[in-house]
Amino acid sequence: EAGVTQSPTHLIKTRGQQATLRCSPISGHTSVYWYQQALGLGLQFLLWYDEGEERNRGNFPPRFSGRQFPNYSSELNVNALELEDSALYLCASSLITRAGTDTQYFGPGTRLTVL
Amino acid sequence: AQSVTQLDSQVPVFEEAPVELRCNYSSSVSVYLFWYVQYPNQGLQLLLKYLSGSTLVESINGFEAEFNKSQTSFHLRKPSVHISDTAEYFCAVSSNAGGTSYGKLTFGQGTILTVHP
Repeated sequence: EAGVTQSPTHLIKTRGQQATLRCSPISGHTSVYWYQQALGLGLQFLLWYDEGEERNRGNFPPRFSGRQFPNYSSELNVNALELEDSALYLCASSLITRAGTDTQYFGPGTRLTVL
Repeated sequence: AQSVTQLDSQVPVFEEAPVELRCNYSSSVSVYLFWYVQYPNQGLQLLLKYLSGSTLVESINGFEAEFNKSQTSFHLRKPSVHISDTAEYFCAVSSNAGGTSYGKLTFGQGTILTVHP
């Protein structure tokens, strides 16, 4: 069974540009989560989508946004890139039977570098 | 709100020695606990989890963790480590409470385990 996949593996942008990161969940999973892993800041929750709806959002500015498509894949968009957005962005997926108990499985991540 | 503290940022050990990676959590509601492992330049892999039932949980590669509600801890142990266990380990907590904690994993800062020959 294929795991969570993310693309691209690496992404290099300059300040002020927009970045789009993509994630495909494990087959049968309806929930997708995004996390940022920045140097010195640890793993921070960004967004949670389930059945096409945003269910929860972390403490990030509105220029971080995303969506979930009918096939449950997801995009994370980061507008007006800043140097501190450089990080590994991890996507995870899960089934939802009862929120909180469902195990999240992670993809390999997209390394975003902002110059 | 929930939080996780991993008490050691780095743990060096020799091969075949036992190891314990410490994790404490704080939450006002019932929690579910996880350990993930991250190898260099890779994503997170689930190592083991506690959802309910037996407080001692085991992974297929010899790690185990014990949920201690009174001490709010979920320490990870392995009786004999291998070079291949060298990685960063993250403790995480989730809950089924609503609000800002809804659905998300809250991670500790990570512990880098380095196994020396």
